[in-house]
Amino acid sequence: GAVVSQHPSRVICKSGTSVKIECRSLDFQATTMFWYRQFPKQSLMLMATSNEGSKATYEQGVEKDKFLINHASLTLSTLTVTSAHPEDSSFYICSAQGLAGETWETQYFGPGTRLLVL
Amino acid sequence: SQKIEQNSEALNIQEGKTATLTCNYTNYSPAYLQWYRQDPGRGPVFLLLIRENEKEKRKERLKVTFDTTLKQSLFHITASQPADSATYLCAPREGGKLIFGQGTELSVKP
Repeated sequence: GAVVSQHPSRVICKSGTSVKIECRSLDFQATTMFWYRQFPKQSLMLMATSNEGSKATYEQGVEKDKFLINHASLTLSTLTVTSAHPEDSSFYICSAQGLAGETWETQYFGPGTRLLVL
Repeated sequence: SQKIEQNSEALNIQEGKTATLTCNYTNYSPAYLQWYRQDPGRGPVFLLLIRENEKEKRKERLKVTFDTTLKQSLFHITASQPADSATYLCAPREGGKLIFGQGTELSVKP
């Protein structure tokens, strides 16, 4: 149980285009989803927290107009990187937290999306 | 400021030995502390959670301790195997968020 998927797993795009990444909780309802970013050999950095039906809460230094987050249902959150630039190239990982029991106490992570902006 | 420190150097051990990874935190009072495993190019996989009122938690070959006085957690893998080679992440939870350490890279040699 507690499986989280991400799509796509890898994306290459041109500078100036927008990219959408989907995060789905497959076997539980996720009231809260988190988006992280990870550079090579570095720790996961929290970008934003989203609760179903509410606006996302962004961490300090993360541009909300650049990284649009939508959490429209209890099983789906999307991250859109708008007007992507090479410095946005990174590994983006989502996690989901459920309503009760083990899924409430723990964040379960997706497999990640590798974004390369040319 | 809040800070998490894990073994900065990679840990190389022989198969069959016990691996011990350290996580120290400052300026936190986490209600939970979680350990994850991360393989290259993959998202973290949850291993164990330990609460502030628990001293020790075990799961198969894994053991975690949590000392809130020392502000430290130790993560042990007994009878280590080459398949245990990965980066292990410590993540105290406070206020609903996980804050990750930089991870310790473990390499188990046959």
